[in-house]
Amino acid sequence: AQSVSQHNHHVILSEAASLELGCNYSYGGTVNLFWYVQYPGQHLQLLLKYFSGDPLVKGIKGFEAEFIKSKFSFNLRKPSVQWSDTAEYFCAVYPGGGADGLTFGKGTHLIIQP
Amino acid sequence: GAGVSQTPSNKVTEKGKYVELRCDPISGHTALYWYRQSLGQGPEFLIYFQGTGAADDSGLPNDRFFAVRPEGSVSTLKIQRTERGDSAVYLCASSLGPSSEAFFGQGTRLTVV
Repeated sequence: AQSVSQHNHHVILSEAASLELGCNYSYGGTVNLFWYVQYPGQHLQLLLKYFSGDPLVKGIKGFEAEFIKSKFSFNLRKPSVQWSDTAEYFCAVYPGGGADGLTFGKGTHLIIQP
Repeated sequence: GAGVSQTPSNKVTEKGKYVELRCDPISGHTALYWYRQSLGQGPEFLIYFQGTGAADDSGLPNDRFFAVRPEGSVSTLKIQRTERGDSAVYLCASSLGPSSEAFFGQGTRLTVV
């Protein structure tokens, strides 16, 4: 079965700092990759997704992620974070063609200090 | 509303009781998913419906858990003989189809005392 690892469980940054959250997955076949965000008191929202094509995908609010197939990675980046980026971030994998739901990582709690 | 709606938002029940959690998906979404999220963990897949049928229920932890979607829209997750370990946030999501963007509800926080 596939699994997703998020290496940083808690990250604290100052505003304007650059962000990179790691995500590695284990699955040998074709995958669809997602980053979801959960702001305090809100539901999970899609940040960005990768299905195929350009491995560098851009999402909402200035976030981007790069799919590196050889490293089984899909790291999330943002060049300059804002206080409003404080949230829980989840990486998720969907095995292409499968009927399963998403497999999520444990999440990274990001705190941005003003 | 336009989003996925889950009721109740909070449910406290005694150990051994039966509970039902409801999910109203986005209109027109044929795919519906249930997940469970325990403290400090990511959402864990429970069951996936395509239309009225359960296409994949491999994530249900045991036979105390059951879910239905009789008319292909609203879904109910049913838990029999609840245990304290069932305490978690139960999330519902819907999408246009498998691998499409899934839209999540706010979840039902279940506490078994």
